Amino acid sequence: AQTVTQSQPEMSVQEAETVTLSCTYDTSESDYYLFWYKQPPSRQMILVIRQEAYKQQNATENRFSVNFQKAAKSFSLKISDSQLGDAAMYFCAFHNAGNMLTFGGGTRLMVKP
Amino acid sequence: NAGVTQTPKFRILKIGQSMTLQCTQDMNHNYMYWYRQDPGMGLKLIYYSVGAGITDKGEVPNGYNVSRSTTEDFPLRLELAAPSQTSVYFCASSYSPDSLNEKLFFGSGTQLSVL
Repeated sequence: AQTVTQSQPEMSVQEAETVTLSCTYDTSESDYYLFWYKQPPSRQMILVIRQEAYKQQNATENRFSVNFQKAAKSFSLKISDSQLGDAAMYFCAFHNAGNMLTFGGGTRLMVKP
Repeated sequence: NAGVTQTPKFRILKIGQSMTLQCTQDMNHNYMYWYRQDPGMGLKLIYYSVGAGITDKGEVPNGYNVSRSTTEDFPLRLELAAPSQTSVYFCASSYSPDSLNEKLFFGSGTQLSVL
């Protein structure tokens, strides 16, 4: 079974600065996808970014980018130029061929003005 | 486009009561899922369905039942509510089982308290 670990229950960043959220996972599979989801107070789960395991190039989406280290099974999310609207719970997730999405425990990000 | 719609948004149950959480999607997605999210935790898969008439257990199925009579609807049934089932429940859907690069669409969640 796959496991996803987010070791930072809470993180804080000053507005306009950069923050990195950590995620590690454990799997024996070679083909899989990794995701970061944002959950604001509205509780809706919003896809932030995804990474295909077979791609060496790190995914980027505007101010969001990942550092994917396949050998180390690490998948961190970097948020640049942090904005107040970035404050939320962030979940790392692993998606395998069985179509199961396994989530980490989440990191609460606070953005200070 | 409504996406994934869950009802109700909030519910309080007494121990031993039963209820059905409704989930409907209008995107003609084959795959549908039910997750629960306990306070401060990630989501855990309860049940999922790969198409009408087909359902299977996820990680935490005990105490729940599902059915999938149509492509659009995937209700979750709690038969004898217990305090351990106090959680936020999310329904989600996706289109194709053929690609790992499939985005999941989530509903807005149901906050359930069992007292």
